[in-house]
Amino acid sequence: GAVVSQHPSWVICKSGTSVKIECRSLDFQATTMFWYRQFPKQSLMLMATSNEGSKATYEQGVEKDKFLINHASLTLSTLTVTSAHPEDSSFYICSARRPGLAGEDEQFFGPGTRLTVL
Amino acid sequence: AQSVTQLDSQVPVFEEAPVELRCNYSSSVSVYLFWYVQYPNQGLQLLLKYLSGSTLVKGINGFEAEFNKSQTSFHLRKPSVHISDTAEYFCAVSVGTASKLTFGTGTRLQVTL
Repeated sequence: GAVVSQHPSWVICKSGTSVKIECRSLDFQATTMFWYRQFPKQSLMLMATSNEGSKATYEQGVEKDKFLINHASLTLSTLTVTSAHPEDSSFYICSARRPGLAGEDEQFFGPGTRLTVL
Repeated sequence: AQSVTQLDSQVPVFEEAPVELRCNYSSSVSVYLFWYVQYPNQGLQLLLKYLSGSTLVKGINGFEAEFNKSQTSFHLRKPSVHISDTAEYFCAVSVGTASKLTFGTGTRLQVTL
């Protein structure tokens, strides 16, 4: 199956600093990647859709200036949490869309990044 | 808009017993349906999906699910569970095969001896 990696797997930072999370599709090209956020014992909430070479599409209620997304290549999307605060602590998961036969694309998920803001 | 309801937040079951995890959805358009499994501190792994065709879908690890359009349900079943099946299970829908997913709140399957 297709592999999606995330780096780092976990990060601890001080309040007010910025943190960058990378999402890579290792064995396929992904024109579209998705960023999700998951609070403890809760479901995944879509934050934004990242399209290669264009601006990301953010879901309602997600601050685009707070969560900067860059999809500079067909295998890499980055999420930068700017001026992080404790309420930004969460599990961030990305997924990448792989084109399939007969239009049956499929999403593959990364292992997630645990962000803790002190 | 679509929504997904997983009524059971936790399902305890003994090893080798059968299990059913319930999922109901709401949508004004046709949707595709998915079940994912999440092990602690990991991402999601696709168990199975319904796109079209036969309403009984077989997935990995011995799981299967049945799409019931009239009841707007997509319940997940396994005839005999193993300790290693202990995980969080998420039902999800999308309007395209790889469009953005709307997830349910998840069901924690706890398998014990």
